[in-house]
Amino acid sequence: GENVEQHPSTLSVQEGDSAVIKCTYSDSASNYFPWYKQELGKGPQLIIDIRSNVGEKKDQRIAVTLNKTAKHFSLHITETQPEDSAVYFCARSGLSGGGADGLTFGKGTHLIIQP
Amino acid sequence: DAGVIQSPRHEVTEMGQEVTLRCKPISGHNSLFWYRQTMMRGLELLIYFNNNVPIDDSGMPEDRFSAKMPNASFSTLKIQPSEPRDSAVYFCASSATGALNTEAFFGQGTRLTVV
Repeated sequence: GENVEQHPSTLSVQEGDSAVIKCTYSDSASNYFPWYKQELGKGPQLIIDIRSNVGEKKDQRIAVTLNKTAKHFSLHITETQPEDSAVYFCARSGLSGGGADGLTFGKGTHLIIQP
Repeated sequence: DAGVIQSPRHEVTEMGQEVTLRCKPISGHNSLFWYRQTMMRGLELLIYFNNNVPIDDSGMPEDRFSAKMPNASFSTLKIQPSEPRDSAVYFCASSATGALNTEAFFGQGTRLTVV
């Protein structure tokens, strides 16, 4: 079945340091792996995504890596800033016969940037 | 575009009452998703539609929950009768999906409290 494990549940880092959040999934048919950031009182917002035919993707301070063999994917944030403080969710989806498949989310990581 | 629009933002109701949550997806998007977020269970997919057709409702917790999408610009999630354990934040999301999964855009959510 579909299951996504996310670690750690809470991560505190000093401003300017890097943060890494890791996820594993179980469904080998997964082909799309987005990462969402959720701020208090708001809906999740996509920050980066990766497809199964790519091993790594970078967008400024944010990067995502994917290891399909091991069913692992990770989010890397460098040079962290106070505005990076939020809850981050990894997710996966595939494609059903009807088109889009819904997202299965990890339980989230509360990232705290210490000034 | 104004993004995914959900109403109401907050709903407080008494146990046993009917609750209807509303969603207007982004114009042109052909996939619509309903999620529920709680501290205990995180973000859970309830049901999703492709081209107004329900594809997978296996996440709907009980028969008390029902969802409709009468046209491409409107969807409802109904709970009848409501129970205190239904208290959660309900999110609607939409995406433009063809052969590949694409970004799902989330609304601001409806915070439901059943007393």
